[in-house]
Amino acid sequence: DIHLTQSPSFLSASVGDRVIITCRASQDINNYLAWYQQKPGKAPNLLIYVASTLQSGVPSRFSGSGSGTEFTLTISSLQPEDFATYYCQQLDFYPLTFGPGTTVDIK
Amino acid sequence: DVQLVESGGDLKRPGGSLRLSCAASGFTFSDFAMSWVRQAPGKGLEWVSAISGTTGSTYYADSVKGRFTISRDNSKNTLYLQINSLRVEDTAVYFCVRGSNRRFDYWGQGTLVTVSS
Repeated sequence: DIHLTQSPSFLSASVGDRVIITCRASQDINNYLAWYQQKPGKAPNLLIYVASTLQSGVPSRFSGSGSGTEFTLTISSLQPEDFATYYCQQLDFYPLTFGPGTTVDIK
Repeated sequence: DVQLVESGGDLKRPGGSLRLSCAASGFTFSDFAMSWVRQAPGKGLEWVSAISGTTGSTYYADSVKGRFTISRDNSKNTLYLQINSLRVEDTAVYFCVRGSNRRFDYWGQGTLVTVSS
């Protein structure tokens, strides 16, 4: 099974900050990596897929990059509505797997 | 608009059974693979199972293999998850998810399964 790790697990940031979250896979996943945002009590929302493609309707301050086994999600200028938990997911091999999540909190 | 509406969540005893349903609308259901993803209280996301759109190929997480069965009725635009031999650790919100081009692009609101003696 492919194991995903995320760093950091938790970060405190201020509105306007640039935020970078890293996801590492235990083997090459051919860029089949997605990022989701989840707010408490809500279903996750797709942000990025195939490592760097922005999902329709998602603000352009979100971007994804990386290849092979290392990927990043960048929020260029953190907005109040961005305080949430972020998950990466690999969709290359079954069983599909999620990272453990990164919670972005208000500093 | 795409809508996914789960139902069937309940409070059950360990060893019991349950069937979850997901009613889909707003898209051609048979064209898409579908998955179930669960989230235990205060924990992260766990992919549970997937089924392809037309061939009916199924896939399971190791943690549920042999106890969970995913199925679909394309004539009714409905996805199912049969859960047998319930365990306390199956307690979670279960989300129905549309899979499309290597992404989970639409999620239902979730249905809560609680397993407790």
